[in-house]
Amino acid sequence: AAGVIQSPRHLIKEKRETATLKCYPIPRHDTVYWYQQGPGQDPQFLISFYEKMQSDKGSIPDRFSAQQFSDYHSELNMSSLELGDSALYFCASSFTGGPNTGELFFGEGSRLTVL
Amino acid sequence: AQTVTQSQPEMSVQEAETVTLSCTYDTSESDYYLFWYKQPPSRQMILVIRQEAYKQQNATENRFSVNFQKAAKSFSLKISDSQLGDAAMYFCAYRIQNKLVFGAGTILRVKS
Repeated sequence: AAGVIQSPRHLIKEKRETATLKCYPIPRHDTVYWYQQGPGQDPQFLISFYEKMQSDKGSIPDRFSAQQFSDYHSELNMSSLELGDSALYFCASSFTGGPNTGELFFGEGSRLTVL
Repeated sequence: AQTVTQSQPEMSVQEAETVTLSCTYDTSESDYYLFWYKQPPSRQMILVIRQEAYKQQNATENRFSVNFQKAAKSFSLKISDSQLGDAAMYFCAYRIQNKLVFGAGTILRVKS
């Protein structure tokens, strides 16, 4: 079965640079979520989109922005990168309705290292 | 605000034994979902088990079961017949609307 696809899997950037992470949700899933997980930390919710509209916002810095496109893929844009942005970034998707309502399916994550 | 608390930073269990990981949460909502996710060293987030708050029956998935106490806002995970492959970080999570909130996690070590 198709899973959530994230790219790139690994990314190395310098401070003050910009990075873009991409997420392709499971087909027919209507909600996409972004999470940030620092070393030894639990995943922190950044932002979510339902049917291409922002639906909830968490602890996302102002330097970060995200959007969901017409084909339902989502991108997380991070500018003016700081050392503290080094983390594993998860994308997840879910489908509202059906027997698995509420369940989030996670991608394998994109590891960002800021030098 | 919704919060999830896992009071056990680390737990150990002997292979083939049973272990229980605890989780409590705080919410004023009546309809929500609860999950346990497993994160092995590969860092993949793997769903272990889910529970709908409106269901009184505790969820069970093979060797994994939960003890859901809605009034006490408690959601513990029991792993029976522990296997070496169960070693991982376990996160309890609460979902309300389009947001999933995680606890701090419990590292489970399995001894052979």
